[in-house]
Amino acid sequence: KAGVTQTPRYLIKTRGQQVTLSCSPISGHRSVSWYQQTPGQGLQFLFEYFSETQRNKGNFPGRFSGRQFSNSRSEMNVSTLELGDSALYLCASSEGDGTFNQPQHFGDGTRLSIL
Amino acid sequence: SQKIEQNSEALNIQEGKTATLTCNYTNYSPAYLQWYRQDPGRGPVFLLLIRENEKEKRKERLKVTFDTTLKQSLFHITASQPADSATYLCALAYDAGNMLTFGGGTRLMVKP
Repeated sequence: KAGVTQTPRYLIKTRGQQVTLSCSPISGHRSVSWYQQTPGQGLQFLFEYFSETQRNKGNFPGRFSGRQFSNSRSEMNVSTLELGDSALYLCASSEGDGTFNQPQHFGDGTRLSIL
Repeated sequence: SQKIEQNSEALNIQEGKTATLTCNYTNYSPAYLQWYRQDPGRGPVFLLLIRENEKEKRKERLKVTFDTTLKQSLFHITASQPADSATYLCALAYDAGNMLTFGGGTRLMVKP
C-alpha cells in the first residue's frame, strides 16, 4: 500500500496570505490527524477527522481549519498567515474506528515558510 | 495540564551497546503510550504501542516498559547500530478518542 502523501512538500508564503495543504491517507484509513512541528514547541496536535467529521481539536486559533472528503483525503487551511506559522505540517492516518489506540502513519510533511 | 519530559540532550552511545531513552509524564497515567522514530526532514515512524495495563512490550531489538507508579516509560534498543541514530519521540493518549500528545524527543547518536 502507498503511504501517506502530503502535497506540496515545500511552500513559501508571505504574511497575511492564506494556504491550503493536502493529505492523502493510506487506502482504507478513515482517520486523519494534522500536527504542527516547530523547533520550539515540538509536535503539536491540530485536529483529527474521521468520516468527514472533526472529532478532536487542539489548542490552535480559528485561523487553522480543516476538512475531510468522502474519500478520506483531507485538507488544512491557514488564513492570515503569521511569521510564527512557519513550521513542518504533518498529516497522519490510522485504521479502524479508534484513533489514538492505533499506530499513526505519518507523511513526510509540508514545510511552510512565511516571509 | 499534562507535561511530557524527554531528555532534550542528545544521547551518545557506542555501537553494540543498549540505548535507553526515558519518557516521564505528570498527572494521571495515559491509557496508551506510543514511541516513534523521526529522521531529519521526514515524518515520524511508529515503533511500539503499550497499553496502561501492560508492563512491557518487545519487537525485535526494541523494548518498551511502562511504569504507572513512576509515571515513566523506558525505551530500549539493544545491540544498537549507527542506523539507529535518529530522534525518538514518545506520545501519550488518555483514551482512544483523545488526542495524542508528544514529548519533545531525544536525539540518539550511535557511533561505530
